[in-house]
Amino acid sequence: EVQLVESGGGLVQPGGSLRLSCAASGFTFSSYSMNWVRQAPGKGLEWVSYISSSSSTIYYADSVKGRFTISRDNAKNSLYLQMNSLRAEDTAVYYCARDSVSYYGYYMDVWGKGTTVTVSS
Amino acid sequence: AIRMTQSPSSFSASTGDRVTITCRASQGISSYLAWYQQKPGKAPKLLIYAASTLQSGVPSRFSGSGSGTDFTLTISCLQSEDFATYYCQQYYSYPRTFGQGTKLEIK
Repeated sequence: EVQLVESGGGLVQPGGSLRLSCAASGFTFSSYSMNWVRQAPGKGLEWVSYISSSSSTIYYADSVKGRFTISRDNAKNSLYLQMNSLRAEDTAVYYCARDSVSYYGYYMDVWGKGTTVTVSS
Repeated sequence: AIRMTQSPSSFSASTGDRVTITCRASQGISSYLAWYQQKPGKAPKLLIYAASTLQSGVPSRFSGSGSGTDFTLTISCLQSEDFATYYCQQYYSYPRTFGQGTKLEIK
C-alpha cells in the first residue's frame, strides 16, 4: 500500500524551529518528486515547497523562503522540512504529498494524513 | 503567482442533484489543473488531473473540463459522501496555487 506518514509537529514558540519528517512506503521513493502543503486552521490549502527526486531542483513559496528548508534522504525513504524562525502564521496542518507525472506535468496524487504545527507563546 | 478563483465559495445541494464548480486562472495554464476533495479532518484526495483525467478509483459521476483559464468540476448525481470542500490547483508554474475552495453542503 502506498503510504506517507508525517511526524514532528508540535507546539513551538515564535522564533523557534521544528523539523518535520515524512516516511514513505509502498513505492519507489527515489523515483518521485515530493511536496509539502499546509492548511491553517479553517483556511484553504497552501503549497509550501517542492523537491525533485534527486534533490537537484527545489522551490519554495515566498511566505517561507529563507526560513524553511526542504530535503530528502532516498536511502531512508524520507522527506523533511526544516522550519526556522517560526511565526504565528505558520500554524497549520502540514501534509507531504507525492508527485506523479502526466503529459500535462506533475500533480500531487498521494497525500499523508498531516502533522500539526502550532506556533504560540 | 497565478491566482486561482473558484465559484461559488459555498453551495447547498441535495442528493441526486447535478453540481458544477468553476475555477478560473489569472493567466493561461493549458490543462495543468487538478481537482481535490477534502472532508473535515482529512487529507485532500485527488479527483481529477490534467483538467479532465479521472484519477483511478474515483467514481465516474465526477468529471472535469476546460483548458486555458476556465475550468469546471461536475458531479453528475450527488451522493451523501460527496458533501465536502473542493479545491482546484494549478501546476503550470511555481508557486503552485490553489483556489480558495468550494464548500458543498447538504440542502
